[in-house]
Amino acid sequence: KAGVTQTPRYLIKTRGQQVTLSCSPISGHRSVSWYQQTPGQGLQFLFEYFSETQRNKGNFPGRFSGRQFSNSRSEMNVSTLELGDSALYLCASSFRGGSLGNEQFFGPGTRLTVL
Amino acid sequence: GEDVEQSLFLSVREGDSSVINCTYTDSSSTYLYWYKQEPGAGLQLLTYIFSNMDMKQDQRLTVLLNKKDKHLSLRIADTQTGDSAIYFCAKGDYGQNFVFGPGTRLSVLP
Repeated sequence: KAGVTQTPRYLIKTRGQQVTLSCSPISGHRSVSWYQQTPGQGLQFLFEYFSETQRNKGNFPGRFSGRQFSNSRSEMNVSTLELGDSALYLCASSFRGGSLGNEQFFGPGTRLTVL
Repeated sequence: GEDVEQSLFLSVREGDSSVINCTYTDSSSTYLYWYKQEPGAGLQLLTYIFSNMDMKQDQRLTVLLNKKDKHLSLRIADTQTGDSAIYFCAKGDYGQNFVFGPGTRLSVLP
């Protein structure tokens, strides 16, 4: 069974631009969660999608958005990029979502650098 | 609050046991997890424990939970160089998202 894939793996953008990251979950998984990982803030939850609906959201500004398609693939978008958005963005998929006894499988991440 | 705390660094000699500690502040947590992150990779779930358990063992890994002190530990027996990584403690509860600790960087010295 293929793992979680994320594209692209690396991305360089400039301030003010927008970016779209993609995540393909493990086949059969309906939940996709997104995380931001930085040296200063650690691993922070962005949002979770389940069956095309946003089920939970972290404490990030509205510039961060996401969506999920009928095949469970998910995209996240960051508009008006700021230097502080430079981070590793991780996607995780699971069968039923939530954090209660849930086995999440993480992708390798997209490394975003904002210049 | 929902803080999860960990010490940031740990060094051990190859063959010794490693003990990585974690404390959490929110008493409503019902599941506690340990993840491993190797350089350039995402997180890999190692094990998790339900809060009504005191201990869980899986091959070289032993998880101990002290509910009264809100203290979780991960013991790795016979630590190998391949165990060098960052280890994250995380907690989860009904209707809540995961909350991760800052991670403990384990260095295994030959």
